[in-house]
Amino acid sequence: GENVEQHPSTLSVQEGDSAVIKCTYSDSASNYFPWYKQELGKGPQLIIDIRSNVGEKKDQRIAVTLNKTAKHFSLHITETQPEDSAVYFCAASNRDDKIIFGKGTRLHILP
Amino acid sequence: DAGVIQSPRHEVTEMGQEVTLRCKPISGHDYLFWYRQTMMRGLELLIYFNNNVPIDDSGMPEDRFSAKMPNASFSTLKIQPSEPRDSAVYFCASSFWQGKTEAFFGQGTRLTVV
Repeated sequence: GENVEQHPSTLSVQEGDSAVIKCTYSDSASNYFPWYKQELGKGPQLIIDIRSNVGEKKDQRIAVTLNKTAKHFSLHITETQPEDSAVYFCAASNRDDKIIFGKGTRLHILP
Repeated sequence: DAGVIQSPRHEVTEMGQEVTLRCKPISGHDYLFWYRQTMMRGLELLIYFNNNVPIDDSGMPEDRFSAKMPNASFSTLKIQPSEPRDSAVYFCASSFWQGKTEAFFGQGTRLTVV
C-alpha cells in the first residue's frame, strides 16, 4: 500500500521568511496530492492540492511542486505570517481512493 | 450545509466499556473516512465507505473496532471493549467523487480511556 513520509516534523521560521515542507510517496499510481492545515482543536482543512498531470500549482503565498519521477512533492509558504502557525499534513491518494497522510509538520512562525 | 458533524466532542470512559462515536457526513458526499490521530502515529486511516459500503477496513487495529454506515447520512465507529491505548482523537471525513477531491473533516472526538 501507499506510504507517505514527511519532513521535517517541526519547523521554526522567522515571520516574513519562507517555509518548505517535503514529502515522498511510495505508490507510483498515486495521482492526487492534497495538503491540509490543522489548527489547534480543529480538524484538518485543505489548503491546496495538485494532481499528477501538473508539476506546480500556486495560490497566493502557497505553492506546491510535484516530481513524479522522484515521487517527491513539496509545500512552499512565502512571506510567512503568525496565522500560518499550525500543523501541516501532506497526503497521497492512490488507485484505491484511500487518502494516506504523512505524520505532519508543526510549523512555528517566530515574531 | 453545516459540514461534517461528529458527536460527542469529548468522551471519557473506563477501560472495558463500549464506546460509540458518531458522524454525519456532508449531504451528497459518496465517501466517508474514519481516521485516528495520535502524537506517535499521526493521522491513521481506519476504514472508509463508498456509497455506504465498507471498501477497506485494513486500518482497523483489531476486532474490538467496528464501523457501520446504515445510510448515507450516518456512520458509527464502535470500540468494545475499550482500552487505554485507544485514547486518541478520532476524525470523520467525507468527500465527493472517488476520494480525489477535498475531504472535509469534522471537529473530531477526543476519546480518553482511563
